[in-house]
Parts: sequence; C-alpha cells; structure tokens
Amino acid sequence: SQQGEEDPQALSIQEGENATMNCSYKTSINNLQWYRQNSGRGLVHLILIRSNEREKHSGRLRVTLDTSKKSSSLLITASRAADTASYFCATDPQGAQKLVFGQGTRLTINP
Amino acid sequence: DTGVSQNPRHKITKRGQNVTFRCDPISEHNRLYWYRQTLGQGPEFLTYFQNEAQLEKSRLLSDRFSAERPKGSFSTLEIQRTEQGDSAMYLCASRWLAGLTGELFFGEGSRLTVL
Repeated sequence: SQQGEEDPQALSIQEGENATMNCSYKTSINNLQWYRQNSGRGLVHLILIRSNEREKHSGRLRVTLDTSKKSSSLLITASRAADTASYFCATDPQGAQKLVFGQGTRLTINP
Repeated sequence: DTGVSQNPRHKITKRGQNVTFRCDPISEHNRLYWYRQTLGQGPEFLTYFQNEAQLEKSRLLSDRFSAERPKGSFSTLEIQRTEQGDSAMYLCASRWLAGLTGELFFGEGSRLTVL
C-alpha cells in the first residue's frame, strides 16, 4: 500500500519558475525522502529530512517537514528543462523496515 | 562502485511463461529491496533481504513470485505462470543498514511485458 499522497499529480511550468510539490502521509516516521525518476529509468535519491528537522536545503532544492500535519513539501527553484521528471516522496515509517512511496508528481518544465 | 545493476532491462513474454530477474546490489550494502511500479504509480514494496535472509514479503507477492538472495550477494526475482497483470517495472534497490542515511540506491529496473 502507498502511504503518501502527492499534490499536484502533474505540474507544468516555464523554465526559470519555481516548482512546489506537496506530500502528505499517515503514520509516524523516522524520516522522509524525495526521489526523482526520469521516464523509464530508476529512482534517484534527492534529499532526506529527519523527523526532528523542519527544513533542509540542497542546491536548488528546499524541503520542509511538518510532522504535526504529517506533510512535506519540495521546492525546486529556478527550474530547468532538465528538471522534467517524476518526483516521489517516500516515508520511512517507525517500526517498518522499508520505504513507502507516494504516487508522485509529474513535473514538466517548458523551455 | 558500479551502482545497482539489473538484468534484463526489458523482457517480453507470453502469458503462462516463467521469467527471472537478477539484481546485483552495491557490494557493501547488506539490505536489498524489490519494488514493483506500474505506469503512472509510485513504487510498491514487494520484499526485502538483510544479507541472505528474506525478512518481509508484501501481500502483493503471490505464490507465483519467489525471491532469493543466496550468499547475501545478488538477488533473483522469479515470476511463474505470468499473467498480464504482472506487466510492470520491477525495481531493485539496496542500502547499508547502519549507514549515515537511509537512502535507497535503485537500479534502472527490469520492465516486464506479458502478452
């Protein structure tokens, strides 16, 4: 079963704009991670935020985590055409030994 | 470090045939995971190994599915008597349990098409 729900399911923006994707989940977690997947390829880890962290940055990525609302957001600033991909949030639930993925957001950056 | 390797990348088979996928994880990783992903969906957990021990199997893993990880190195996922509903991307991932991060390293996947 998939724990996360991602919003929006699809997002299309112009190059240079910022892209924001949201993820909600249901259970207590150890950490939350974001992955990227280019069409037909495997997933690539982008960033991990632990349950005791509220915000984390990595290059053009900014992730927030609100454990009281059980939600996270991923912001990609100054988007580029190469950012076109699907983005998945994945939770590491407490007591579980596996990552549980959301259904993803398909991001299209128009040149 | 050559990353996680999966073979074959693509497999087309007829309904009722058996197929086997192989995954070679990053060598120092002791945990290996199999996920299934259908078009437009996120990966769904199937099973995972710690070294050679299979510690958890999803309800998605019917009796027709079997996974092994002999000697705690590579893993195989076999699907017997394939059905059209088995068509999906099968993803393998690995990680070091005691590592500083909990991130998974994924292979490129094995895409199965059942005709």
